[in-house]
Amino acid sequence: EVQLVESGGGLIQPGGSLRLSCAASGFTVSYTYMSWVRQAPGKGLEWISLMYSAGNTYYADSVKGRFTISRDSSRNMIYLQMNSLRTEDTAIYYCVRESLDDVWSGYHYYYIHVWGKGTTVTVSS
Amino acid sequence: DIQMTQSPSTLSASVGDRVTITCRASQNVSHWLAWHQQKPGKVPKVLIYKASSLESGVPSRFSGSGSGTEFTLTISSLQPDDFATYYCQQYNSFRTFGQGTKVEVK
Repeated sequence: EVQLVESGGGLIQPGGSLRLSCAASGFTVSYTYMSWVRQAPGKGLEWISLMYSAGNTYYADSVKGRFTISRDSSRNMIYLQMNSLRTEDTAIYYCVRESLDDVWSGYHYYYIHVWGKGTTVTVSS
Repeated sequence: DIQMTQSPSTLSASVGDRVTITCRASQNVSHWLAWHQQKPGKVPKVLIYKASSLESGVPSRFSGSGSGTEFTLTISSLQPDDFATYYCQQYNSFRTFGQGTKVEVK
């Protein structure tokens, strides 16, 4: 069974750093695409970061330069290093597994398929 | 960046109603579009991918259509379990979610 378990959330002051972890089971993280999605209190879903199986990484403008996605293939883990945190980064952070939808004109298209339960980050003084 | 706009933001409906939610992309995303359902306090789950492909285990009353820049999610006969917030999400270029449509009890 595919499972994703996030950890590392908590209360942090503005300007601080936090590293979120995502433990995957039932599949191999380095063989697929993995994303982080967040949801601020009472708000909608916001995609923030993506890692390809090849290791390429991408970020939403709102976190570019501050957040870094990485993985440890030996531990089957995904991480999100969050620096220079702001109050607007307060949210539930979900680790998501993407699955291959199709290959079209040489491109691989993956869709968000499995969601973790999330971990809560609160940025406040 | 691709922007996704859903309408309406809130929809009031009764059990048994046919419900349609619209999602528009700011540029062509072909058919690389998914729909996710989120119930209050719960984790989202994918209902549809590639605009019209039903995820395994999802009831057949859910259907999706569209391509390019305009998409719809239809619930043919609304059930009590379907009151939730629905999000469209493109995966043609990175990923973007719509702002959500809350389906509430009329």
